[in-house]
Amino acid sequence: DVKVTQSSRYLVKRTGEKVFLECVQDMDHENMFWYRQDPGLGLRLIYFSYDVKMKEKGDIPEGYSVSREKKERFSLILESASTNQTSMYLCASRQTLAGAEETQYFGPGTRLLVL
Amino acid sequence: SQQGEEDPQALSIQEGENATMNCSYKTSINNLQWYRQNSGRGLVHLILIRSNEREKHSGRLRVTLDTSKKSSSLLITASRAADTASYFCATDAHFGNEKLTFGTGTRLTIIP
Repeated sequence: DVKVTQSSRYLVKRTGEKVFLECVQDMDHENMFWYRQDPGLGLRLIYFSYDVKMKEKGDIPEGYSVSREKKERFSLILESASTNQTSMYLCASRQTLAGAEETQYFGPGTRLLVL
Repeated sequence: SQQGEEDPQALSIQEGENATMNCSYKTSINNLQWYRQNSGRGLVHLILIRSNEREKHSGRLRVTLDTSKKSSSLLITASRAADTASYFCATDAHFGNEKLTFGTGTRLTIIP
């Protein structure tokens, strides 16, 4: 079974702090994704990566950056956390980008509270 | 913007009844997928239907797709308390950059 893990289930940070959210997958998937989930808004894509050191902006990249130094690891960085970044963050991985028939596998999520 | 819109936003039914959720989308798609999310957890893939398919079954799940109306439905038959969760549709756009776009979800509650 594919396993996607996220470094923390819950995080509490202060405004202005730098925040790192880590995601690791164990199935050698090329593609990895970061979403945030907010009530009434569903899942919104922040960034995705289709290869090591490659990244593309999603729908809401502002205030975030990402890093993919190794195939299995995709990090989401909040350079200076703000209260409007309080949310549930979900990481996902997927085998192929083109072809469009592959399932996305999700991690358990990190609930971030910015005070 | 959200590609998929689920309807209803929330649904409560008695255990043993059937639950139907609908999804509408805006652009041409390669496929449509349904995911389930238990409270406070990640999403789990349930079923995928391709744009050239009209109906698909998996256990107690039945999915239909009407590309002319740009809509899909998910039917869960003989519901169980363990089916309580949020259900999301996700579309893979035909001429997009091939990322999944998720709807806002339907919150399903099964009353024992």
